[in-house]
Amino acid sequence: EVQLVESGGGLVKPGGSLRLSCAASGFTFSSYSMNWVRQAPGKGLEWVSSISSSSSYIYYADSVKGRFTISRDNAKNSLYLQMNSLRAEDTAVYYCARPYDKGAFDIWGQGTMVTVSS
Amino acid sequence: DIQMTQSPSTLSASVGDRVTITCRASQSISSWLAWYQQKPGKAPKLLIYKASSLESGVPSRFSGSGSGTEFTLTISSLQPDDFATYYCQQYNSYSLTFGGGTKVEIK
Repeated sequence: EVQLVESGGGLVKPGGSLRLSCAASGFTFSSYSMNWVRQAPGKGLEWVSSISSSSSYIYYADSVKGRFTISRDNAKNSLYLQMNSLRAEDTAVYYCARPYDKGAFDIWGQGTMVTVSS
Repeated sequence: DIQMTQSPSTLSASVGDRVTITCRASQSISSWLAWYQQKPGKAPKLLIYKASSLESGVPSRFSGSGSGTEFTLTISSLQPDDFATYYCQQYNSYSLTFGGGTKVEIK
């Protein structure tokens, strides 16, 4: 079964750091670019970051540029998001997502909640 | 960044109704547009990709059309399972963007 499972979410104080992980299974992880998408409580979807299959190309939303770092380990079939200098507005469910057809996401994880609050 | 504007933001409809949701891009995105359905507490589900291609396993009552800057998602006959929030997403540029969402409610 094709599956993505996120972990690492939790409660963190403003200015703090958190590292999210996404474990992939059921498909050839190293052949796909991967993405993080987030959703603040009661709000819409926001793309956060993407990384190409070999990590050669990395992109970020302006809202997280300079604070978040995406990475992957193809040997471990895993995607990561290092989040530093967290702000209240980073509070959201974070999803990892696999793109199909260039950028339409056909596989999503269940999401992991990140809450930034003092 | 390319802005995606969805309308309406909320739609009240009855079972059996034909429903149309519109998505407009701030610049041409060719046909690089996807539609998703999301239910509360769940991850989004891909319905349509490349503007009009139906994702495998998605009922044929869902259809997409458009190109350039104007796109529509149509549900030909609304079913009880279709009450949800729908999002469009452009993937023409590396900076991906979503529409604000359309909540389809029971009338």
